[in-house]
Amino acid sequence: GNSVTQMEGPVTLSEEAFLTINCTYTATGYPSLFWYVQYPGEGLQLLLKATKADDKGSNKGFEATYRKETTSFHLEKGSVQVSDSAVYFCALATQGAQKLVFGQGTRLTINP
Amino acid sequence: DGGITQSPKYLFRKEGQNVTLSCEQNLNHDAMYWYRQDPGQGLRLIYYSQIVNDFQKGDIAEGYSVSREKKESFPLTVTSAQKNPTAFYLCASALADTQYFGPGTRLTVL
Repeated sequence: GNSVTQMEGPVTLSEEAFLTINCTYTATGYPSLFWYVQYPGEGLQLLLKATKADDKGSNKGFEATYRKETTSFHLEKGSVQVSDSAVYFCALATQGAQKLVFGQGTRLTINP
Repeated sequence: DGGITQSPKYLFRKEGQNVTLSCEQNLNHDAMYWYRQDPGQGLRLIYYSQIVNDFQKGDIAEGYSVSREKKESFPLTVTSAQKNPTAFYLCASALADTQYFGPGTRLTVL
């Protein structure tokens, strides 16, 4: 079946550090891939998405590249801020699917 | 402003009472979803609806019910049959394969 595996958290970094949160997937066909962010006490916000191999999604300094050969969609940011502290979810949707498949989430804390 | 609204943000109920959580969207999306999130956990799908007057069970539908009488609205009822209803409930609507989430309702059953 379809599944998403994320890097175990929590992840703690200092401000201005480089961030990578790993995400790998198992899916039939050619899924669309997503990163969502959840700030404390809030709903999920769509951070970025990619719909085909080698596409790069980007938003607010975050990037992720759809790598079909490694079935990965790792989230990166060059210089994190305290305001980036949140839980990050990787997700996939297969073609024609009615549901998203989510990873378990990775809690990120950025210290000043 | 286009978006998804959930009300109320916090809800308290006594054990044994049914409670209905509201979800409204003005994005003209056909599909809507309800998820449950427990502390420190991921999302679990309760129910979803692709069109008006039709809905399907998700992974944890027991103890919940929904209706979809209007495109804009997808209320969720947490019944007394739900064994552990205290959780954060998230509603979403979708355009193609991309889901957009509301702010959530935190339900506490006392």
